[in-house]
Amino acid sequence: DADVTQTPRNRITKTGKRIMLECSQTKGHDRMYWYRQDPGLGLRLIYYSFDVKDINKGEISDGYSVSRQAQAKFSLSLESAIPNQTALYFCATSDPGDPSYEQYFGPGTRLTVT
Amino acid sequence: AQSVSQHNHHVILSEAASLELGCNYSYGGTVNLFWYVQYPGQHLQLLLKYFSGDPLVKGIKGFEAEFIKSKFSFNLRKPSVQWSDTAEYFCAVSMYSGGGADGLTFGKGTHLIIQP
Repeated sequence: DADVTQTPRNRITKTGKRIMLECSQTKGHDRMYWYRQDPGLGLRLIYYSFDVKDINKGEISDGYSVSRQAQAKFSLSLESAIPNQTALYFCATSDPGDPSYEQYFGPGTRLTVT
Repeated sequence: AQSVSQHNHHVILSEAASLELGCNYSYGGTVNLFWYVQYPGQHLQLLLKYFSGDPLVKGIKGFEAEFIKSKFSFNLRKPSVQWSDTAEYFCAVSMYSGGGADGLTFGKGTHLIIQP
């Protein structure tokens, strides 16, 4: 079984709709992250969480919100989707006890907003 | 703000050619450095990382990278590429806050195509 899972894997939605992307992990890591990937731009950080009570904005948080329901679950919401939020979204985790700060990525969710 | 530059956005090589992908970062403090690979249709996988010790690090699949602090560089190398190395390659640098790493700053990626 994969250590970091994301649902759904693909989603097409319309402009103005609310949508939630979910991430679950079995690695036991406290830290979780949401990134978006756009062609030619690499990955950019949206939000990150060091534990259930610690949520922080990343580089591009406008238009997004998150919820850390438990240590293992970190959800990303688009309150009112717009076409320029069409992208590949990745969840990642890291272990605060690991001095390298390596991050482990999920398989990604491909979101299309029409 | 911290940034990461990857010099080549598209690279085309023949099998058995040598590979070097450039990566430079802008941050004057202590850094942790990573190279991730994304094969077509797959998620990111770690190739190698540097956070302390020997600046020449070896990763999976015959890849290696050298951290040169004076040049703010972390270039990826492989002496002889294979067709299966066709993928997108990302250089990334960790950011720090008082509580630890806030997240990774990624370069824009290098799309590598290996021709048989």
